[in-house]
Amino acid sequence: GAVVSQHPSRVICKSGTSVKIECRSLDFQATTMFWYRQFPKKSLMLMATSNEGSKATYEQGVEKDKFLINHASLTLSTLTVTSAHPEDSSFYICSASMTGTPRITGELFFGEGSRLTVL
Amino acid sequence: GENVEQHPSTLSVQEGDSAVIKCTYSDSASNYFPWYKQELGKRPQLIIDIRSNVGEKKDQRIAVTLNKTAKHFSLHITETQPEDSAVYFCAAVTNSGYALNFGKGTSLLVTP
Repeated sequence: GAVVSQHPSRVICKSGTSVKIECRSLDFQATTMFWYRQFPKKSLMLMATSNEGSKATYEQGVEKDKFLINHASLTLSTLTVTSAHPEDSSFYICSASMTGTPRITGELFFGEGSRLTVL
Repeated sequence: GENVEQHPSTLSVQEGDSAVIKCTYSDSASNYFPWYKQELGKRPQLIIDIRSNVGEKKDQRIAVTLNKTAKHFSLHITETQPEDSAVYFCAAVTNSGYALNFGKGTSLLVTP
């Protein structure tokens, strides 16, 4: 099956610093990747849709200047949490569909997730 | 956007019993409804999915039913085992047809 790899799995940073999380599709090309955020014992909240070669589409309430998304290639999307604060501490998970649209044919494959802790 | 409601939030059953989790969705145009299982600290894994042209789908001990008219779908797990214990999420595709919106999750506990 399709593999989505996410790095780092855990990161601890000081308040005010920026953190970059990488999401790679290892054995398929992903024109579209999705970034979710998950709080403890809570659901997955869609943050943004990352489109290769174009700007990401952010969900309502998600600050685009705070969560920078870059999808420079068909196998890599990055999420940068800028000027991180303790309230940004969360589990961030990326996902991708082989066809780009799970609505049409494919399932969504998830990365391992990245647990961010901001001190 | 698509709004997915999931019930119950927690479910405890004895090994061998059946478990049912229910979800409703708001966007009548949604046509793809997957169910994911997430174990603690791990990524969600697809366990079964259903499309709007099908009313029921079964895979061994797991089945999903879909009622398009009522806009609800359910996950059925029969002969539950302790290893079925996890958080289960239902989802439906959004208006854009790209990303999935997830329900709030059901924490299932199967006791021996």
